[in-house]
Amino acid sequence: GNSVTQMEGPVTLSEEAFLTINCTYTATGYPSLFWYVQYPGEGLQLLLKATKADDKGSNKGFEATYRKETTSFHLEKGSVQVSDSAVYFCALSDQSNTGKLIFGQGTTLQVKP
Amino acid sequence: DTAVSQTPKYLVTQMGNDKSIKCEQNLGHDTMYWYKQDSKKFLKIMFSYNNKELIINETVPNRFSPKSPDKAHLNLHINSLELGDSAVYFCASSHLGQGASRETQYFGPGTRLLVL
Repeated sequence: GNSVTQMEGPVTLSEEAFLTINCTYTATGYPSLFWYVQYPGEGLQLLLKATKADDKGSNKGFEATYRKETTSFHLEKGSVQVSDSAVYFCALSDQSNTGKLIFGQGTTLQVKP
Repeated sequence: DTAVSQTPKYLVTQMGNDKSIKCEQNLGHDTMYWYKQDSKKFLKIMFSYNNKELIINETVPNRFSPKSPDKAHLNLHINSLELGDSAVYFCASSHLGQGASRETQYFGPGTRLLVL
């Protein structure tokens, strides 16, 4: 079945460091890929998405490229801020036309000043 | 002007009780979802309704019963609560068009359920 695997956290970085959170997926067909972010005590909000191979999603300095050959969608940011501290979820939506999201286990990011 | 709202935000109750969580969206979406987030932050889909019809029903105990009175509301009723039901329950909504897999889901703030 479809699944998403993320790197284990927590990831602890100093402000202005480079961030990579790895995400790989298993799916049949051509899923859409998403990164959602959950700030403490809040619900999830979309960070970025890519709906076909080689698409790059970007938002707020974050970016991720849909790599079909490596079944990956790694999240990157060049210079993190304390305000980026949150839990990041990689997710896929298959082609079943139900909108069902399958999430990775989440990666907690802590950015220290 | 909250897009997806849930009530209550916190729910503390005894084992064996029956409780309901309500969700409303004002985004004009036609599809709503319930997700469960466990203590390790893992998120799993439970149910989904499209235009008041059930379209996703994952392997969930039948003590959980969703109800969608209209497209803007999706409630979750839980009978005979158990300790393992303690979790954060998130409601979400989206538009299920031709490219359903590409659509963004908008999440509510969550309901933190603690069963004692």
